[in-house]
Amino acid sequence: GENVEQHPSTLSVQEGDSAVIKCTYSDSASNYFPWYKQELGKGPQLIIDIRSNVGEKKDQRIAVTLNKTAKHFSLHITETQPEDSAVYFCAAPNNAGNMLTFGGGTRLMVKP
Amino acid sequence: DGGITQSPKYLFRKEGQNVTLSCEQNLNHDAMYWYRQDPGQGLRLIYYSQIVNDFQKGDIAEGYSVSREKKESFPLTVTSAQKNPTAFYLCASSTSGTGYYYGYTFGSGTRLTVV
Repeated sequence: GENVEQHPSTLSVQEGDSAVIKCTYSDSASNYFPWYKQELGKGPQLIIDIRSNVGEKKDQRIAVTLNKTAKHFSLHITETQPEDSAVYFCAAPNNAGNMLTFGGGTRLMVKP
Repeated sequence: DGGITQSPKYLFRKEGQNVTLSCEQNLNHDAMYWYRQDPGQGLRLIYYSQIVNDFQKGDIAEGYSVSREKKESFPLTVTSAQKNPTAFYLCASSTSGTGYYYGYTFGSGTRLTVV
């Protein structure tokens, strides 16, 4: 089945700096890659996603890049703010394409 | 507004008791999922259902049971056979996919504690 690995598991940055989280996947047929943000005590929320027909997608301070050849995709957060502090999960569809496999999560801490 | 609702937010279980966590969605999604999250850990799949009256075991189904009698509802029962049930439980839904895929919508979670 699909295997999704996420790095780093924890990331600490200074407010205003950029943060990058990387995920690798195993199934070359995967065609959809979402990112979720989970704040403390809440459910994950979809913040951005990318499909395999594009290499990059941006939404204000957040961007996702996809390298299909290397089978990895990354979340980029620029000008980080304390409210960006959360756990971030990446995901990719399983072989059957009927559900998502999640990475292990990255705890991002933005120090003011 | 469409969404997915989990209740209760907090639940306390005595040893040997069965408890049921509720999950309701009005998004008209076909697929629903239950995940368990332990402190500082990722998401582990308990059960999932792609269609009404059908469900499949996930990676950690032992000690749990589910039903899917209605499209909108996917309750999870934590049975007394689950020896370490204290965790944060998340329900999610999505349009069932072949080809064009969509992300999950998650509920706000139920925190279950054994007392």
